[in-house]
Amino acid sequence: GENVEQHPSTLSVQEGDSAVIKCTYSDSASNYFPWYKQELGKGPQLIIDIRSNVGEKKDQRIAVTLNKTAKHFSLHITETQPEDSAVYFCAANPSGSTLGRLYFGRGTQLTVWP
Amino acid sequence: GAVVSQHPSWVICKSGTSVKIECRSLDFQATTMFWYRQFPKQSLMLMATSNEGSKATYEQGVEKDKFLINHASLTLSTLTVTSAHPEDSSFYICSADPLRTRTYGYTFGSGTRLTVV
Repeated sequence: GENVEQHPSTLSVQEGDSAVIKCTYSDSASNYFPWYKQELGKGPQLIIDIRSNVGEKKDQRIAVTLNKTAKHFSLHITETQPEDSAVYFCAANPSGSTLGRLYFGRGTQLTVWP
Repeated sequence: GAVVSQHPSWVICKSGTSVKIECRSLDFQATTMFWYRQFPKQSLMLMATSNEGSKATYEQGVEKDKFLINHASLTLSTLTVTSAHPEDSSFYICSADPLRTRTYGYTFGSGTRLTVV
């Protein structure tokens, strides 16, 4: 099956700085890569996703890049704010597997200091 | 759109009793829903795939007789933890994919914190 590695496990940044979280995947057939934000005691919230036919996608302060050759994708958050503090998970869905069968990374605890 | 409602948000039960958790898609139909389990400070682990009108598909190592899944309609899936024990205490989360087109991405419920005492 798919194996998703995520780094770093913890990340602390100053408000206004940028944050980057990186993930790698093992199954070259994976074609959908969502990113989720999870606040304490809540379910994950989709913040951005990218499909394998696109190299980059941006939504305001959040962007995701995908390198299919290297099998890695990254989340970029610019102008971070304290409310961005949460756990972020990357995931992958291999083509041909059950729709919605997501393989998750271990998560990154992001802390933004005011 | 694409809201998944999960209830209860938290529950405390005694060892040996059963607990039912509901997962509803409020504004869309979902032929497939997913149940995840999450331990503190850990990632989400898929337990089973719930298919409307048919048996659920369980991941390796998940006891299907302990975690009963019923997906009787296109908007409701339930997870029943039978004969619960303290080691079943965890955060359970469901998700669903609207229309199977990934238009909204896979939407998650708010989760259920189960504590078995």
